[in-house]
Amino acid sequence: SQQGEEDPQALSIQEGENATMNCSYKTSINNLQWYRQNSGRGLVHLILIRSNEREKHSGRLRVTLDTSKKSSSLLITASRAADTASYFCAPDYSGSARQLTFGSGTQLTVLP
Amino acid sequence: KAGVTQTPRYLIKTRGQQVTLSCSPISGHRSVSWYQQTPGQGLQFLFEYFSETQRNKGNFPGRFSGRQFSNSRSEMNVSTLELGDSALYLCASSFGQYAEAFFGQGTRLTVV
Repeated sequence: SQQGEEDPQALSIQEGENATMNCSYKTSINNLQWYRQNSGRGLVHLILIRSNEREKHSGRLRVTLDTSKKSSSLLITASRAADTASYFCAPDYSGSARQLTFGSGTQLTVLP
Repeated sequence: KAGVTQTPRYLIKTRGQQVTLSCSPISGHRSVSWYQQTPGQGLQFLFEYFSETQRNKGNFPGRFSGRQFSNSRSEMNVSTLELGDSALYLCASSFGQYAEAFFGQGTRLTVV
């Protein structure tokens, strides 16, 4: 399977703490995207990091990519209760066509 | 800029019926992909359309089909519905092959 695998499967932290989620993938990618999904809703795009980038920031989010280890991490700083959601990474192996592959996600719970 | 719009948001159908779901991509986006999300299988790729052509198809039976119109709007059709087709169906659009993919809120299909 070429899907990304998120780790841990579940994470529970207190409001104000940082949350780190990891993603591993199998083969070379063009880019990797992170998404958030609130219960039963659509996926919200967080960050796209390209294969030639090592780190990217967006507000309280920081994404790193290590292509040698085929892994990425998502750091959410100063978490809030509203960050409670499932987080998915989607390695993009797209060749001539677009197809994202998803793992089972990390369920993040931020306790007030 | 309007996001990806999926209609309807909720559907209840009877086993054996057929259903058509609609997706309007972000203006200017020519790639539309469809995904099925179930608790057991997670997020799975159905197919991708670009300029009215299906470029890629996931591992789903022929009962699942789709099309894309000249204005990039896309529809997916499921014939002879089975209980196992109950899922959240998500559509994503993107501008280019390696660009961010933005998802709609999904259509929740329940087959009874």
